[in-house]
Formats: sequence, structure tokens, C-alpha cells
Amino acid sequence: AQSVTQLGSHVSVSEGALVLLRCNYSSSVPPYLFWYVQYPNQGLQLLLKYTSAATLVKGINGFEAEFKKSETSFHLTKPSAHMRDAAEYFCAVSEGAMDTGRRALTFGSGTRLQVQP
Amino acid sequence: NAGVTQTPKFQVLKTGQSMTLQCAQDMNHEYMSWYRQDPGMGLRLIHYSVGAGITDQGEVPNGYNVSRSTTEDFPLRLLSAAPSQTSVYFCASKNRGSFTEAFFGQGTRLTVV
Repeated sequence: AQSVTQLGSHVSVSEGALVLLRCNYSSSVPPYLFWYVQYPNQGLQLLLKYTSAATLVKGINGFEAEFKKSETSFHLTKPSAHMRDAAEYFCAVSEGAMDTGRRALTFGSGTRLQVQP
Repeated sequence: NAGVTQTPKFQVLKTGQSMTLQCAQDMNHEYMSWYRQDPGMGLRLIHYSVGAGITDQGEVPNGYNVSRSTTEDFPLRLLSAAPSQTSVYFCASKNRGSFTEAFFGQGTRLTVV
């Protein structure tokens, strides 16, 4: 069974500071991993995805994440936070067959990022 | 604009009432899904469909029905609403060749009193 743990339900950083949002996963097979962002009163938007190619994945809005198999982690980072980055971020894992769609996407509980001026 | 459209955006129901949450996409995606979002629990999969006429259960299907008569539409029915179904519901879709849902609707905030 697959699962995702996001450490820290709330993270606060100053504008211009490094953003680090932590995600650890559990999976019985090589996983696909994803980060989503949710702005207030909006749906989820895919930030980036790891699908067994390069372990360092670059996404939109300057975010990136590194897949570390030995640590079962997929932490999200951004070198310099902007006020517009304030949102909730979800890590997710998927195990099953991509093509048939018969797989579950399991989400973490989310991390709310606050950016202080 | 292309995307996933959900209606209504807000709804209040009384316990025992039934209703249908609508979801439509105009991207010709084969795969569509419904999630519910509850505080501190992330999103949980209710039902999904890999194509017209094919649906399957997700993690939390009890109390919900779905059907997929067309590629575009994937309605979610609450048969007899309960307070435990108070949540925000999201519909999503993806291409057959995509690893994950990249397109989510804006959500329906449902309150059952």
C-alpha cells in the first residue's frame, strides 16, 4: 500500500528565504510522485512530477523537487520565496499502471505555506 | 476556456436529501475522478472512470454513486446526504497517457445540516 507523509502542516518563511516543504512516501513498487499547489478557493494545480526519469525535477513557478530513493523522500524547494507562493501544497504518490488509469493517487495531508513580508 | 467545470460552487443540504454534483470537461480526457477534501486529510478518491461506461470505486465510495454516459460528463450523486459528507468536492481529469490528473475543477463546497 502506498502512503504519503508531509512533515509540518504549516510552514512560515520570510520573503526571499528558502522554501523547503517535506514529503516522505511509502510504496511497494517504484512510485510516481507529484506536488500540487492550491491557492485559496481554487482547485489543485500540478506543480511538478517525478516519473522515474531525472531525480531532480523542475516545475512551474521556480519550484523543484528531488527524488531520493534511499530516504524515500521527495522534498519541494524554492530558493527564494515570493508573497504569491503563499498557498497550500500537497504531495501525492501513485503506484499503478499509468495507461489504464486503474491506480490510486494518494495525497498527503498538505502543508500551508505562509510568506512574511 | 478549456478545463474542468464543476457546478454548483456551494450547496447546503438537509440530512437525507439527495443531489447531484456536476462535472464536465471539454478536453476529451478519458479519465475522470472525484475527490473529497477534508481538513488535515488531503484529498481522498471517491470514484473514478477510465472511459464512457466504465467506473470504479476509490478509497471512500460509500454514500456516493457515479455514472459515465459520455466522455465529457461525470456526475457524482449523493443518495441520502449525511453530515459526514460535509466537505469540498473536486473533479479532475487526465489524458490516457498522463501520469496524473493535471486538471482539477474549482470545487464544490457542500454542507449537510
